[in-house]
Amino acid sequence: GAGVSQSPSNKVTEKGKDVELRCDPISGHTALYWYRQRLGQGLEFLIYFQGNSAPDKSGLPSDRFSAERTGESVSTLTIQRTQQEDSAVYLCASSLLRGGNTEAFFGQGTRLTVV
Amino acid sequence: GDSVTQMEGPVTLSEEAFLTINCTYTATGYPSLFWYVQYPGEGLQLLLKATKADDKGSNKGFEATYRKETTSFHLEKGSVQVSDSAVYFCALIPGYGGSQGNLIFGKGTKLSVKP
Repeated sequence: GAGVSQSPSNKVTEKGKDVELRCDPISGHTALYWYRQRLGQGLEFLIYFQGNSAPDKSGLPSDRFSAERTGESVSTLTIQRTQQEDSAVYLCASSLLRGGNTEAFFGQGTRLTVV
Repeated sequence: GDSVTQMEGPVTLSEEAFLTINCTYTATGYPSLFWYVQYPGEGLQLLLKATKADDKGSNKGFEATYRKETTSFHLEKGSVQVSDSAVYFCALIPGYGGSQGNLIFGKGTKLSVKP
């Protein structure tokens, strides 16, 4: 597509429920990032995929968080047993290459509210 | 570890005023530096970048110079417009000798420009 697409744009869930967030990267982009942005905070790195390499999961805050990516296409971020502290905007970005000087293109994010 | 610190907001200016948003960084190696902007209701987009010391990034009247001696990358614009109202994020990608090449963000500075 023309840009990075994320769905849903907003999600309200009850504490303890599982949620799944989706990211469609720009076609041909090998790298895909997930970030979390809490209210009034910067962007917190969660996980990174690059081609067929093992993902960099160093930013995932707990084992309740997991992510998958099929080849170089769609990625899903799953949060199990959601907690109120998980409330944030979850941003996805894609780029042609990791690191270096390559621009990362961002989606509009999924606003998650855990009640 | 690598980090970015930018001035707290919000910043409120009148149209045609001079803008400075301070950004300093901590990084091992030689990072690449970026300013991203998030307009209301839109996703993050790259505003400008600089990849080595003394480089100046510029776009849409905004400028920032990579100052290694002061570890700074301050954003400036000589005459702001109402349409510049947005949240601005300073970011870096650690370079050679640094940590993993993830895009690390500051907390963001909200700019409001009044007519």
